[in-house]
Amino acid sequence: TQLLEQSPQFLSIQEGENLTVYCNSSSVFSSLQWYRQEPGEGPVLLVTVVTGGEVKKLKRLTFQFGDARKDSSLHITAAQPGDTGLYLCAATGPETGGFKTIFGAGTRLFVKA
Amino acid sequence: GAGVSQSPSNKVTEKGKDVELRCDPISGHTALYWYRQSLGQGLEFLIYFQGNSAPDKSGLPSDRFSAERTGGSVSTLTIQRTQQEDSAVYLCASSLGTVKETQYFGPGTRLLVL
Repeated sequence: TQLLEQSPQFLSIQEGENLTVYCNSSSVFSSLQWYRQEPGEGPVLLVTVVTGGEVKKLKRLTFQFGDARKDSSLHITAAQPGDTGLYLCAATGPETGGFKTIFGAGTRLFVKA
Repeated sequence: GAGVSQSPSNKVTEKGKDVELRCDPISGHTALYWYRQSLGQGLEFLIYFQGNSAPDKSGLPSDRFSAERTGGSVSTLTIQRTQQEDSAVYLCASSLGTVKETQYFGPGTRLLVL
């Protein structure tokens, strides 16, 4: 069974601080996705990373896929209250049985103004 | 265009009753997924439809759970003889085609079994 382990589980920071959240697995994945979920809503896709060592930037968010394609990180620069939410990593592909997307338990981020 | 919609948004039921949860995917999306999210947890895959057929039912937790999709559009997830451990948010997502396509999620149905 492939597992995606996310850390930390919970993070509370002040506006303007930087933070990094992690997604780790013992399995190799062909791609990894990061989602953000706000209360009462479904997850929304932020980015997909597919190449080992790949770095993608989305405004103040920087996503990295590990060289071995077993782990990924999300770095937020100068966090804002609007960044508050549950950040989920997910993987889909032959490694997950083809049709199945597996999700980590998520990192719950709270940014205080 | 409209996004994925789910109904009801909230459902409270008594243990032992049956419930039906509905998902209306984005028009033209052939793939549809059901997930379950328990409090403080990530999403648990339940079932995947491509058109009206479900090539992967491996995630259904027990034979009390079933799902169908008709006309390549609306899907219904049915839970029979509900148990308290079925309490969770049930999320539906749809995508244009294969699992490589972006999944768009609905807001979920919050189920509480008393």
